[in-house]
Amino acid sequence: SQQGEEDPQALSIQEGENATMNCSYKTSINNLQWYRQNSGRGLVHLILIRSNEREKHSGRLRVTLDTSKKSSSLLITASRAADTASYFCATAFNTGGFKTIFGAGTRLFVKA
Amino acid sequence: EPEVTQTPSHQVTQMGQEVILRCVPISNHLYFYWYRQILGQKVEFLVSFYNNEISEKSEIFDDQFSVERPDGSNFTLKIRSTKLEDSAMYFCASSPEPGQGYEQYFGPGTRLTVT
Repeated sequence: SQQGEEDPQALSIQEGENATMNCSYKTSINNLQWYRQNSGRGLVHLILIRSNEREKHSGRLRVTLDTSKKSSSLLITASRAADTASYFCATAFNTGGFKTIFGAGTRLFVKA
Repeated sequence: EPEVTQTPSHQVTQMGQEVILRCVPISNHLYFYWYRQILGQKVEFLVSFYNNEISEKSEIFDDQFSVERPDGSNFTLKIRSTKLEDSAMYFCASSPEPGQGYEQYFGPGTRLTVT
């Protein structure tokens, strides 16, 4: 399988704490993306990190990529109740066409 | 800010009927995609489309599915004879360029219910 797999499957933290989610994948990729999905809603793109990048920041989000271990992590600092959502990593690779494979996601619950 | 739009937001159809899900990608984007998400499950890639032809498709995208860009703005997914297991959220996405490092913009989805 070429799918990304996130862990943990579910994470419950207090507001103000940091949340770390991990993603592992199996094949070489062009890039890796993290998305957020609120219950029953669409996907919101958070960050894209290219295969030649190691770390990227966007506001309270920090993403790392380790291509040697085929893994990525998403850190949300100073979490807020509004961060409660499911977070997915998605790996994109070129097979002649372009394909993006999503992992099963981490459900994050931030308690106020 | 430009966004991907999808219509309808919710479609109910009877098993065996044909449905067409519509998407309007962001206007200067070149790559288009369909994904589906069965309730409570992961988002699954269906197909990517570039330069008026299918670029890549998954094993889910069998002969009952087809995609089309009938004009310069719409991108459609047709399911010829719907089955109960086709019930899912269907997301359209578009991206501005192929190649390494492209960002996909997702629409809000169409919830398809097959009865």
